[in-house]
Amino acid sequence: GENVEQHPSTLSVQEGDSAVIKCTYSDSASNYFPWYKQELGKGPQLIIDIRSNVGEKKDQRIAVTLNKTAKHFSLHITETQPEDSAVYFCAASIDGGATNKLIFGTGTLLAVQP
Amino acid sequence: DGGITQSPKYLFRKEGQNVTLSCEQNLNHDAMYWYRQDPGQGLRLIYYSQIVNDFQKGDIAEGYSVSREKKESFPLTVTSAQKNPTAFYLCASSMTVTLGYGYTFGSGTRLTVV
Repeated sequence: GENVEQHPSTLSVQEGDSAVIKCTYSDSASNYFPWYKQELGKGPQLIIDIRSNVGEKKDQRIAVTLNKTAKHFSLHITETQPEDSAVYFCAASIDGGATNKLIFGTGTLLAVQP
Repeated sequence: DGGITQSPKYLFRKEGQNVTLSCEQNLNHDAMYWYRQDPGQGLRLIYYSQIVNDFQKGDIAEGYSVSREKKESFPLTVTSAQKNPTAFYLCASSMTVTLGYGYTFGSGTRLTVV
């Protein structure tokens, strides 16, 4: 089955710097890759997603890149702000498969220092 | 507003007791999921349901049970057979099992064994 690895587990940056979180997946059939942000004591919220027919997607300060050949995808946050501090999860699934089960990475705790 | 409601937010259980966590959605989603979250381990799938009166075991189903009598509701029972139930439990839903849309999560229930 699918396995998703996520690095780093913790990341500390200065306000205004960029942050990059990387994930690798094992199942080449995976074609949908969302990223979730989880604030303390709350459920994860979708912040951006990408499908395998696209190499990059951007939404204001957030971007995601996908390398299908290498089976890895990354989340890029530019001009970080203290409110970006949270746990970020990547995930992978097979769109159109028998089920839409998302397989999650283990999460990255991002701390933005003011 | 549409969304997922989990209750209670905090729950305390004595050794040997069964407890039931509530999850209700008004998004008209067919699929619903239960995840367990432990520090450093990401999100692990307990059970999922693709349609009313149907549900499947996830990766860590032992000691848990679910029902799906209504489309809107997917309660999770943590039984006394679950040896280490203290964790943060997240319920999620998605439109269907075959579309590659991400999930909508509830705000979670923190269960503590006392």
